[in-house]
Amino acid sequence: DTAVSQTPKYLVTQMGNDKSIKCEQNLGHDTMYWYKQDSKKFLKIMFSYNNKELIINETVPNRFSPKSPDKAHLNLHINSLELGDSAVYFCASSGQVNEKLFFGSGTQLSVL
Amino acid sequence: AQKITQTQPGMFVQEKEAVTLDCTYDTSDPSYGLFWYKQPSSGEMIFLIYQGSYDQQNATEGRYSLNFQKARKSANLVISASQLGDSAMYFCAMREADNTDKLIFGTGTRLQVFP
Repeated sequence: DTAVSQTPKYLVTQMGNDKSIKCEQNLGHDTMYWYKQDSKKFLKIMFSYNNKELIINETVPNRFSPKSPDKAHLNLHINSLELGDSAVYFCASSGQVNEKLFFGSGTQLSVL
Repeated sequence: AQKITQTQPGMFVQEKEAVTLDCTYDTSDPSYGLFWYKQPSSGEMIFLIYQGSYDQQNATEGRYSLNFQKARKSANLVISASQLGDSAMYFCAMREADNTDKLIFGTGTRLQVFP
């Protein structure tokens, strides 16, 4: 009964490939996010969705396309993977403003 | 401009001692929330403590307390009676009451607790 679950936990792939990361939350939250954590541990928001609508797109390359089929799911599809995409990607969700974010366990993406 | 600043890339503390991790923030919004998260080596993000900008008292959660100094725009995390399991990265974050609901993180402080 994990609150925010994302799969896969590890993803190793070649440059140029397309891959997806899935995220689901069972908390009934309206807002979901994707964060990227780089090799220096810096966490930066990429996208946020509120009730299936895109709210934030923080100048992320077009190769990254989030999709929210319903408010409990927010998937991340990445086209034409590049070496610089290697990072840990975290999905998160939250309820009301000023409530904490609940994070998934992260997906370690390694692009070779 | 950096909205959340953590000036200590690394800190050491002896077991059972208290340690303060610094965090300053920058916002012109009167309504905001401040959060601390812990990230152990296993990688998950663990919520520790929250302080609202209108809260009159400093937040406390067990061994964690937040030294909130609004005029100085600082929200330092105090961990009392450190334990070996406290060794981790600690992130300060801020959420403004705009329509984006995003959490902005600082660069983190790596805490090492030694016996």
